[in-house]
Amino acid sequence: NAGVTQTPKFRILKIGQSMTLQCTQDMNHNYMYWYRQDPGMGLKLIYYSVGAGITDKGEVPNGYNVSRSTTEDFPLRLELAAPSQTSVYFCASSYVGWETQYFGPGTRLLVL
Amino acid sequence: KQEVTQIPAALSVPEGENLVLNCSFTDSAIYNLQWFRQDPGKGLTSLLLIQSSQREQTSGRLNASLDKSSGRSTLYIAASQPGDSATYLCAVGEYGNKLVFGAGTILRVKS
Repeated sequence: NAGVTQTPKFRILKIGQSMTLQCTQDMNHNYMYWYRQDPGMGLKLIYYSVGAGITDKGEVPNGYNVSRSTTEDFPLRLELAAPSQTSVYFCASSYVGWETQYFGPGTRLLVL
Repeated sequence: KQEVTQIPAALSVPEGENLVLNCSFTDSAIYNLQWFRQDPGKGLTSLLLIQSSQREQTSGRLNASLDKSSGRSTLYIAASQPGDSATYLCAVGEYGNKLVFGAGTILRVKS
């Protein structure tokens, strides 16, 4: 039982490039989330999903897109990367909307 | 808009001391409140979750309380150890279990 896994661990992007951050969970959780954490700050919700085929915006969705075609996977797409997207990105999951969220190890992204 | 504040921002204590971390939130219409631990360069580990109908939760040396009416939660750590050194994050759960995080308290326990 690996829990929540994220790839890659670290990536450097040039301004204007695109990439997809991968997130997979093997706990059969319905809810999945993407957060970003800037230095010295708390995490902010980017997008979330309550089940396959259903996604919704969080607090800071601009510049990102998501899809949820399976229960296990919830990729985050960055289009036209900007320096403001330099951050650490965390994926999380929970079985239902009022239970503990389990977090992946994070992806550190640097946009230059 | 929900805002979550954690005080103090940093705390340094000698080993063995009992300590309290504070979390306050502006909107009492919450589903739950979670406390997390984050080690440098790592992900978050859930410590305790308190549902909105509960007053406190305990796990080992940790005890978290929730007072919705006053918009406050505390995390009490008994007999602190150097291994407790980490950043502690408080997060309130809104509809859909969307978490709103505080900036965290950096704890250092000196041996």
